[in-house]
Amino acid sequence: EDKVVQSPLSLVVHEGDTVTLNCSYEVTNFRSLLWYKQEKKAPTFLFMLTSSGIEKKSGRLSSILDKKELFSILNITATQTGDSAIYLCAVDSGYTGTASKLTFGTGTRLQVTL
Amino acid sequence: DAGITQSPRHKVTETGTPVTLRCHQTENHRYMYWYRQDPGHGLRLIHYSYGVKDTDKGEVSDGYSVSRSKTEDFLLTLESATSSQTSVYFCAISEPAEKLFFGSGTQLSVL
Repeated sequence: EDKVVQSPLSLVVHEGDTVTLNCSYEVTNFRSLLWYKQEKKAPTFLFMLTSSGIEKKSGRLSSILDKKELFSILNITATQTGDSAIYLCAVDSGYTGTASKLTFGTGTRLQVTL
Repeated sequence: DAGITQSPRHKVTETGTPVTLRCHQTENHRYMYWYRQDPGHGLRLIHYSYGVKDTDKGEVSDGYSVSRSKTEDFLLTLESATSSQTSVYFCAISEPAEKLFFGSGTQLSVL
């Protein structure tokens, strides 16, 4: 059975802090790992990672994948209150030419306080 | 919301009644998915579609059926709703091996 575990489950930080969110996985077939941000409604896409060691960046957010150790981290620097959300990690174990088969972790709830 | 519309946004129904949720996309994406989200479980796949009239089961498909008669529409039916189907339901779309885009969700309460 495919499994994705995120840690910590929740986190409270002060504005300006740097946070690291963790995602480890065990899947039968690996196609990609995805990070999503979920505020009140739909999860919104952050990153898709397919190769080890290549950092993806978008503003203050960055992510990297380690396929040997089966984990990924999501870093947020200089946090702002607008970063408060649930961050979801998912692994796609679909095969070439097939639909995505995403297994999601239960998420990390981040709260950024003033 | 990447051209995905879910309806209704909220629904309250009684145990034993049939319920249909609708997902409509304007992106012409090949794949469409239905997920449910529950505390402690994360998002779990119910059914997905890989083309018109082509559907398959996900990990939590019992008690649900789907239909896709047009590229843009994907319906999820709870044949006889139960309280365990109280959840938030998300529709998603994707192209092959690409990221999923999610709709805004339907909050369903079964009393």
